[in-house]
Amino acid sequence: GENVEQHPSTLSVQEGDSAVIKCTYSDSASNYFPWYKQELGKRPQLIIDIRSNVGEKKDQRIAVTLNKTAKHFSLHITETQPEDSAVYFCAVPASGYSTLTFGKGTMLLVSP
Amino acid sequence: DAGITQSPRHKVTETGTPVTLRCHQTENHRYMYWYRQDPGHGLRLIHYSYGVKDTDKGEVSDGYSVSRSKTEDFLLTLESATSSQTSVYFCAISESSGGTVNQPQHFGDGTRLSIL
Repeated sequence: GENVEQHPSTLSVQEGDSAVIKCTYSDSASNYFPWYKQELGKRPQLIIDIRSNVGEKKDQRIAVTLNKTAKHFSLHITETQPEDSAVYFCAVPASGYSTLTFGKGTMLLVSP
Repeated sequence: DAGITQSPRHKVTETGTPVTLRCHQTENHRYMYWYRQDPGHGLRLIHYSYGVKDTDKGEVSDGYSVSRSKTEDFLLTLESATSSQTSVYFCAISESSGGTVNQPQHFGDGTRLSIL
């Protein structure tokens, strides 16, 4: 099945700094790449996704970039705020493409 | 927010007892999923459904069964619960089309299950 590696596992930044989380995948045919944010004790929530026909997508302070040749995609958060503190998960389609395989998550801590 | 309701939200039970978790959706989405979430493992797929009476196994299906008799309901059953099945269980739905994951999955609020 699809192999997804997510780095780093933890990330600490100061408020106002930028944060970058990277995921690599193995199946070159993957065509959909979502990112989820999960606050403590809450459900995962989709924050941004990208399809393989574009290289970058932005939504206010968050962006996702995709490098299909190198088979990796990254989440970028600019001007971080304490409320950005959460666990972030990437995902890619599993073999057969009707399910997703999730990365193990990155715990982001934004200090005031 | 997507209309997904998981029940119960919390449950404590004993080893060896059967347990059924329910996921109910009001979005009429075709795909429904059950995940478990454990520290250090992220979200792992247990079973999923791509229509009424159509289900398939995920990465960690041993010890679990599912049923989907109506579009809106997807049940997860632990036939004989074990302590290793203590976890947080999330249901998700998606309106994927053409059999490919090109639409987002939306998650319910989860069920915290403890097996003593």
